[in-house]
Amino acid sequence: QVQLVQSGAEVKTPGASVKVSCKASGYTFTDNYIHWVRQAPGQGLEWMGWMNPDSGGTRYAQEFQGRVTMTRDTSISTAYMELSRLRSDDTAVYYCARVGAGACCHFGNWGQGTLVTVSS
Amino acid sequence: QSVLTQPPSASGTPGQRVTISCSGSSSNIGSNTVNWYQQLPGTAPKLLIYNNNQRPSGVPDRFSGSKSGASASLAISGLQSEDEADYYCAAWDDSLNGYVFGTGTKVTVL
Repeated sequence: QVQLVQSGAEVKTPGASVKVSCKASGYTFTDNYIHWVRQAPGQGLEWMGWMNPDSGGTRYAQEFQGRVTMTRDTSISTAYMELSRLRSDDTAVYYCARVGAGACCHFGNWGQGTLVTVSS
Repeated sequence: QSVLTQPPSASGTPGQRVTISCSGSSSNIGSNTVNWYQQLPGTAPKLLIYNNNQRPSGVPDRFSGSKSGASASLAISGLQSEDEADYYCAAWDDSLNGYVFGTGTKVTVL
């Protein structure tokens, strides 16, 4: 069965960077786009962008342009999301999600989430 | 901040029908398909409805989606206690060139 397993919780200081991983199994990693979505405590869902695991192509939400980088390592079926220049309002649970078909946008499979806490 | 507006809460007794609205614009719902997600407390979201009214396998037919113009709605018929969750609509926005989620609706089973 399809599984997306994310890396563990992180605590970072303001200005630092964080890199979250998302290991895929149960399907051919390069067949489906991976998206990243975050959720601040008690808040709604916010789309961050997508990556094509086959080509490495990316598209980022305007809000995160210049701060986010999405990459992958096809040899280990793993996607990564790196967010730099962290601020306190970046504290959130970060999810990776797999699209059923095409680039966007119904996410049939989700990772379990990674809590990133930004605090001095 | 979100461009898709949902009521913050909805409620019903077991067995009742609950409807959640999602209001957007011509650049998102008006020109793209709508998806709905259910998020149980402390868990990752789950795809409930895609392409306006399609249910993934395993989703009960108590859940149904519809779209008209720049608005969409999710209906839950035969409400059950396990339906207590947050529900989010979502669609691609051509103006923002990004995927947008609704503000979310918390459903309570009385």
